Amino acid sequence: DIQMTQSPSTLSASVGDRVTITCRASQSISSWLAWYQQKPGKAPKFLIYKASSLESGVPSRFSGSGSGTEFTLTISSLQPDDFATYYCQQYNSYSLTFGGGTKVEIK
Amino acid sequence: QVQLVQSGAEVKKPGASVKVSCKASGYTFISYAMHWVRLAPGQRLEWMGWINAGNGNTKFSQKFQGRVTITRDTSASTVYMELNGLRSEDTAVYYCARGPNCGGDCFFDYWGQGTLVTVSS
Repeated sequence: DIQMTQSPSTLSASVGDRVTITCRASQSISSWLAWYQQKPGKAPKFLIYKASSLESGVPSRFSGSGSGTEFTLTISSLQPDDFATYYCQQYNSYSLTFGGGTKVEIK
Repeated sequence: QVQLVQSGAEVKKPGASVKVSCKASGYTFISYAMHWVRLAPGQRLEWMGWINAGNGNTKFSQKFQGRVTITRDTSASTVYMELNGLRSEDTAVYYCARGPNCGGDCFFDYWGQGTLVTVSS
């Protein structure tokens, strides 16, 4: 299976901060990467696909970049609703795998 | 609007089976795939398998191969996931999640609310 490693595992930030989360794949996955946001007790919410394509309805402060083995999710100006855990997911192979998650906390 | 509504929480004993349902609405059921993903305490999201709701073809994670069955009832727009031989490590929240039929894009654009399955003697 392709291993996905996210960093950091926890991030403390303030409203208005620019936040960057990194996701690394154990082998090249081209641009077959998605990002999700999850809040406690809720289902994940789909944010980004194909590494950089924003899902309809997702605020433009979210953006994704990268290809191959290194990817980033950036929130340009952190809003109160953005405090959550973020997961990356690769779909280069049929054995779909997720990163370990990055929890964005209030500083 | 797309909605995926899952069945309620379950408590099972080790060795038992559990069957979780996921009723879809708001879209053409047979045009999409349905996946099952779980989140165990302290673990990462884990993909279990998927079904092509149109033709019923399935594919499973090697970890769950032989222990999980995914079926669908097109007349009821409902997908079922059955997990056999339950052990304590299977205690988790189980999600159904819709996606395009995998063959390129294989992500999850809508998720059910989750079903807590607790395995305890």
